[in-house]
Amino acid sequence: LAKTTQPISMDSYEGQEVNITCSHNNIATNDYITWYQQFPSQGPRFIIQGYKTKVTNEVASLFIPADRKSSTLSLPRVSLSDTAVYYCLVGETGFGNEKLTFGTGTRLTIIP
Amino acid sequence: GAGVSQSPRYKVTKRGQDVALRCDPISGHVSLYWYRQALGQGPEFLTYFNYEAQQDKSGLPNDRFSAERPEGSISTLTIQRTEQRDSAMYRCASSLVVGTGELFFGEGSRLTVL
Repeated sequence: LAKTTQPISMDSYEGQEVNITCSHNNIATNDYITWYQQFPSQGPRFIIQGYKTKVTNEVASLFIPADRKSSTLSLPRVSLSDTAVYYCLVGETGFGNEKLTFGTGTRLTIIP
Repeated sequence: GAGVSQSPRYKVTKRGQDVALRCDPISGHVSLYWYRQALGQGPEFLTYFNYEAQQDKSGLPNDRFSAERPEGSISTLTIQRTEQRDSAMYRCASSLVVGTGELFFGEGSRLTVL
C-alpha cells in the first residue's frame, strides 16, 4: 500500500479557500486517491475520490497532477463547521483489496 | 436502517472479561469493516467481510480478537480476556458494493477496560 504524507495541522479563516496536499510518491498504477473527513466524536465521512486530473463535487475538489505523486483537496469558502480531521487514503479499489489504511490525517481548524 | 448502527455505544469492563460489539450495517450493503481508533489517531484496520465471508483479518491484533458475520448482515466483534490496552473506539463501516472505497461509518463503540 502506498504511504501518504500530509500536514499534521492547518489553520484558516472563515471564507477562505483551503488546500490540503497529500504526498504519495509510491502510488501504484491501480491506486485511487480517496479523502475522508472526521468531526470530533463521529466516524469518518467520505468526501471525494479520484484517479487523475480533477474531480469536483458539491463539497470539495480534488486535484491530481499527471505524475499522481501528490493530490490536493480544495475546500472552497470554508466555515467553522469545516473544522475537522481530513484523511488522504491511497489504495487499489476492487475486489480483493479492501484494506483501506488511514494515516493520522490533517487537523484543520477554521478561525472566525 | 438509515445508517450503520453500533451497540453498545459505551462499554466499561474489567480486565479479563469478554466483550462483544455489534454492528448492524446499512441494509443491502455487501461489505462490512471493523476499525479501531485510539484518541488522536486515524482508524486502524482490523478486518472486513464481503457478505458472510471474512476476506481479510490481517489487522486483528492477536487471537483474542475475532469477528463474524454469519448471515451476511449483522456482525459481531468479540474480544476475549480483555486487557487495558484494548481500550479504544471500535468503529464499524459498510459499503454498498465491493471496491468503491466509499465506506459509511457508524458512531462507534467506546470500550474502556479497567
